[in-house]
Amino acid sequence: SAVISQKPSRDICQRGTSLTIQCQVDSQVTMMFWYRQQPGQSLTLIATANQGSEATYESGFVIDKFPISRPNLTFSTLTVSNMSPEDSSIYLCSVFPGQGIYGYTFGSGTRLTVV
Amino acid sequence: AQSVTQPDIHITVSEGASLELRCNYSYGATPYLFWYVQSPGQGLQLLLKYFSGDTLVQGIKGFEAEFKRSQSSFNLRKPSVHWSDAAEYFCAVGVGGGADGLTFGKGTHLIIQP
Repeated sequence: SAVISQKPSRDICQRGTSLTIQCQVDSQVTMMFWYRQQPGQSLTLIATANQGSEATYESGFVIDKFPISRPNLTFSTLTVSNMSPEDSSIYLCSVFPGQGIYGYTFGSGTRLTVV
Repeated sequence: AQSVTQPDIHITVSEGASLELRCNYSYGATPYLFWYVQSPGQGLQLLLKYFSGDTLVQGIKGFEAEFKRSQSSFNLRKPSVHWSDAAEYFCAVGVGGGADGLTFGKGTHLIIQP
């Protein structure tokens, strides 16, 4: 299995600012995934980050709002840009190391509050 | 595109009673199937998963799930619930052999009555 370190664990930000969330994996993985969980809601996939290429965004999410970097096989960042209160959510990164015991592994999440 | 339906938003069960949470998916082939649990303020915990093979899958905390291809279902069961099982339960499907992210259902909120 893979172990994911995600930071910050939580933050309170002013509207109009940006926050960058970091995700570090203890092993090399091809794909990294970013999700959003709005308050009281389920998880929604934001984008898939493949090292060496542009991230692939799901419908409703755009690169200008959620730019993603994937500089190597163990690290990725998600930036939430020009934040508004509607961006208040938990953001999680995830990897799929293979058909092992854990399948998809998730970070502990970043709880973002925009005021 | 794939989709996941969890028809029950809330379920209330008495402690010690049996539990079944429903999950239906829509996808042209057999996807990877998962059940996750999330307690308030906590992260996601994997209960069990199905990739292939035996359609009855055993998980942690006494949970099991059965994949029924004919019904496109992957229902979660537990013979006797404990108060600590109160949480949000998410069914999820994955396609693309792990190259794609998961599609989650909307979740079922489980309430345990004493």
